[in-house]
Amino acid sequence: AQTVTQSQPEMSVQEAETVTLSCTYDTSESDYYLFWYKQPPSRQMILVIRQEAYKQQNATENRFSVNFQKAAKSFSLKISDSQLGDAAMYFCAYRSWNRDDKIIFGKGTRLHILP
Amino acid sequence: NAGVMQNPRHLVRRRGQEARLRCSPMKGHSHVYWYRQLPEEGLKFMVYLQKENIIDESGMPKERFSAEFPKEGPSILRIQQVVRGDSAAYFCASSPGQVAEAFFGQGTRLTVV
Repeated sequence: AQTVTQSQPEMSVQEAETVTLSCTYDTSESDYYLFWYKQPPSRQMILVIRQEAYKQQNATENRFSVNFQKAAKSFSLKISDSQLGDAAMYFCAYRSWNRDDKIIFGKGTRLHILP
Repeated sequence: NAGVMQNPRHLVRRRGQEARLRCSPMKGHSHVYWYRQLPEEGLKFMVYLQKENIIDESGMPKERFSAEFPKEGPSILRIQQVVRGDSAAYFCASSPGQVAEAFFGQGTRLTVV
């Protein structure tokens, strides 16, 4: 069975600095999707970024980028120029290429932004 | 296009009562997923439904919990004879099936007193 591990329960970063959140996963599949979701205090789950495993190029969305290391089964999220609105729980997630499958979440990393 | 709508946002039930959680997926979405989130925990998969069919219920407790997604109307997660351990946030997500990601509602926070 697939698993997703986030080893950092909490992290802090100074406003305008860069922070990297770690995620590792375990799977025997070769084709899959990886996601980072953000959950602010409002509780709404917001998709931040997604990566298809077959793509070698790392995904980027504005200030958010990933470092996808397929062989190492690592999928870290880098947030550049951190803003106060980035404070939230961040969840790493996995989904099989077979889209009739559930999304599996890690336990999350709580990110604090220091003004 | 409205997002995934869940109601109620907050639900308080006494032990032994029934809880009914509703989820209206985004327009055009025929796939619905239910997740449970305990405090300071990630989201745990419960059940995956397509219209009128349960595709995967491997994460749902065998007793007291049931889910449906009828041809017409919202998806319903039903918890019978609630206990304190059922207190959690319950999230619904939907997808049209053609994309990898699912879109989430704002969740229902169930409190059992």
